[in-house]
Amino acid sequence: AQSVTQLDSQVPVFEEAPVELRCNYSSSVSVYLFWYVQYPNQGLQLLLKYLSGSTLVKGINGFEAEFNKSQTSFHLRKPSVHISDTAEYFCAVSYTGTASKLTFGTGTRLQVTL
Amino acid sequence: NAGVTQTPKFRVLKTGQSMTLLCAQDMNHEYMYWYRQDPGMGLRLIHYSVGEGTTAKGEVPDGYNVSRLKKQNFLLGLESAAPSQTSVYFCASSDGTGGGYTFGSGTRLTVV
Repeated sequence: AQSVTQLDSQVPVFEEAPVELRCNYSSSVSVYLFWYVQYPNQGLQLLLKYLSGSTLVKGINGFEAEFNKSQTSFHLRKPSVHISDTAEYFCAVSYTGTASKLTFGTGTRLQVTL
Repeated sequence: NAGVTQTPKFRVLKTGQSMTLLCAQDMNHEYMYWYRQDPGMGLRLIHYSVGEGTTAKGEVPDGYNVSRLKKQNFLLGLESAAPSQTSVYFCASSDGTGGGYTFGSGTRLTVV
């Protein structure tokens, strides 16, 4: 069965510090990987995606993620966070031949403080 | 561009009542989806559609029905609401190329 594991339910971090949000997925031959962000009381917004090509993917708001096929991981990173990055972050995977259905992780709450 | 529009945004139902949530997209997307979001559980797929007139079950379909009579609309129905259906419901659409979804802003449903 398809699954996505976000290892941390909450990540507290100080402003201007680096952050890494971890995501692992169940192995498959071909996958598409995504990170979405959800601000309080809002819908989900696409941060970045990996479809093919370079394993380092850059997204909006200074975020980036690296696809590691051997470790089945797609960790999200930002070198210096801002208060406005406080939000819930969801990793998601789509497997080929599944009508583009996304399977989501349970989310990581990023809390940035001064 | 409106993208994906969900109505209503909020609703309170009594146990046993019925209701329909409407999702409309203006991007000519073939694929549409309904998810529910619950604390600590992420988003779980309820039903989806790969084109007008088609529907299929997702991970948690029980207690819900859907219809896709027009390409731009995807309706989610609760025939007899239960407190366990208290959740935030999100609709999404995609063009099917694997590039991800466009989400609506959600419907917060409370069943008392």
